[in-house]
Amino acid sequence: GENVEQHPSTLSVQEGDSAVIKCTYSDSASNYFPWYKQELGKRPQLIIDIRSNVGEKKDQRIAVTLNKTAKHFSLHITETQPEDSAVYFCAARAMNRDDKIIFGKGTRLHILP
Amino acid sequence: DVKVTQSSRYLVKRTGEKVFLECVQDMDHENMFWYRQDPGLGLRLIYFSYDVKMKEKGDIPEGYSVSREKKERFSLILESASTNQTSMYLCASVSASDTQYFGPGTRLTVL
Repeated sequence: GENVEQHPSTLSVQEGDSAVIKCTYSDSASNYFPWYKQELGKRPQLIIDIRSNVGEKKDQRIAVTLNKTAKHFSLHITETQPEDSAVYFCAARAMNRDDKIIFGKGTRLHILP
Repeated sequence: DVKVTQSSRYLVKRTGEKVFLECVQDMDHENMFWYRQDPGLGLRLIYFSYDVKMKEKGDIPEGYSVSREKKERFSLILESASTNQTSMYLCASVSASDTQYFGPGTRLTVL
């Protein structure tokens, strides 16, 4: 089955700097890679996702890159702001639609003033 | 807007009690999931269902069962609650575009 590793577990960056969170996956059949953000006391919410037919996707200050050969994908947040402080989860899902989504263990991002 | 609701935000039960956690979604989604969230362990899949009366074990199904009698409702059952089942339980409903919509969570404490 799929296994998703996420690093780092905790990340502190100065406000305005960039943050990068990295994930690796084990199942080469995985074709869908979402990222979820969970603010303190709230439910996780999808912020961006990427499918295996593209290598990069951007949405304003957030971007995700995918390297299928190396089986890793990354979340990039530029010009970080205080509201970016949260726990971020990466996930991967294989081609069969009945397959479950496997989440990484999460990264707690702290934006320092 | 997709709405996923869970029956309780906070629940306190005693060891050995039978516990029901309910999740309801209003978007006619076929796939629904139950996770537990613990510090440092992320989101771990307990059970999921891709159709009425269908269920599949996730990564940590021991001590849990589920019920999906209607498409909109997915229930998680703790047959005999134990202290190691104290956790945050999150339900999710999945759209056709694969987006998971999470409920607000139920923080269960087993004494």
